[in-house]
Amino acid sequence: TQLLEQSPQFLSIQEGENLTVYCNSSSVFSSLQWYRQEPGEGPVLLVTVVTGGEVKKLKRLTFQFGDARKDSSLHITAAQPGDTGLYLCAERLNDYKLSFGAGTTVTVRA
Amino acid sequence: DTGVSQNPRHKITKRGQNVTFRCDPISEHNRLYWYRQTLGQGPEFLTYFQNEAQLEKSRLLSDRFSAERPKGSFSTLEIQRTEQGDSAMYLCASSFPPLTRRAGYGYTFGSGTRLTVV
Repeated sequence: TQLLEQSPQFLSIQEGENLTVYCNSSSVFSSLQWYRQEPGEGPVLLVTVVTGGEVKKLKRLTFQFGDARKDSSLHITAAQPGDTGLYLCAERLNDYKLSFGAGTTVTVRA
Repeated sequence: DTGVSQNPRHKITKRGQNVTFRCDPISEHNRLYWYRQTLGQGPEFLTYFQNEAQLEKSRLLSDRFSAERPKGSFSTLEIQRTEQGDSAMYLCASSFPPLTRRAGYGYTFGSGTRLTVV
């Protein structure tokens, strides 16, 4: 099982600012998912990226998958307090198992 | 369908006691998963079911842990003789089989059961 490294571990910004979080691996991802987890709740799937170089947008969130499929980033434009949460990336290991990174805790201050 | 439901949401127990958690998956999903998440970490795979069959158990699942899914519907996770190291969020998830484009390659998680062993 490859190790997913997420950075930074913590990020605190003011409402309206932009932010980027990263997910990296030493090996190639078959596919990668991004989840957001609010305190006391389970993770919620945001997006799945499969193809190297792929870019997906979800309102103010932009997800990129590296050309070599070893890294991914999540960029949030004009962050809002509702974006606060733990952002997790997860790799599909096989047809039933996901391996998660430790996550980036994002706090958006009003 | 209101999603994946887990009960209880919180459980505080004394060391050495047994606890049981319940998960009701999305009715269309025939795969069900249990994950454990400790503070500052991402979820870790424990076990999964396809219908009523338990097809894989992680090494994290010691012999004090047992999971069942009778009739392929709801599932229970029991921890016997709890230890302080069992304190964690226990997450249940369900999906279509296998992880496919239909499921967005991902799971639907429940809100979890927070276990505290004192």
